[in-house]
Amino acid sequence: AQTVTQSQPEMSVQEAETVTLSCTYDTSENNYYLFWYKQPPSRQMILVIRQEAYKQQNATENRFSVNFQKAAKSFSLKISDSQLGDTAMYFCAFMKPSQGGSEKLVFGKGTKLTVNP
Amino acid sequence: DAGVTQSPTHLIKTRGQQVTLRCSPKSGHDTVSWYQQALGQGPQFIFQYYEEEERQRGNFPDRFSGHQFPNYSSELNVNALLLGDSALYLCASSLVHRAQETQYFGPGTRLLVL
Repeated sequence: AQTVTQSQPEMSVQEAETVTLSCTYDTSENNYYLFWYKQPPSRQMILVIRQEAYKQQNATENRFSVNFQKAAKSFSLKISDSQLGDTAMYFCAFMKPSQGGSEKLVFGKGTKLTVNP
Repeated sequence: DAGVTQSPTHLIKTRGQQVTLRCSPKSGHDTVSWYQQALGQGPQFIFQYYEEEERQRGNFPDRFSGHQFPNYSSELNVNALLLGDSALYLCASSLVHRAQETQYFGPGTRLLVL
């Protein structure tokens, strides 16, 4: 079974600075998908970024980028130019590919990020 | 473009009662997954529905059951409620024909069992 570990329960960063959230996972699969989701205090889970394991290039979405190290089974999220609206719980999630349809997401326990003014 | 919607937003029940939660998927999506998120934890997969059938199931007892309707909306039913069932219940939708498509989440239903 796949597991996802987020070793930082809480982190804080000053507005406009850069912060990196860590995530490691365990799987015997060669192809899979990794996600970072954001859950603000309003609780709606929002996709931040997605990475396909077969792609060597790290995914980037505006201020959000990942450092995907497949051999090390590491998938960290870097937030640049942090904004107050980035304050939220961040969840790392794993999905294995499926022949016929969407698979389940396996989540880590989350990292609570606070952006300070 | 309507996103995933869930109802009700909050619910209070007592032990032993039964509850039904509802989910409407994002427009164009045909697959619905349900997750339970206990306080301070990541979501845990309950089950997934496609073509009105349960495709996958996580490690949850039979007290948890579901249904999917022809319009792709879904219900989650929990019987004989326990205090430990108190959690945020999240619904996520996706499109099976794009097998690894992202799952989009609804705002959740907060269930409190007293």
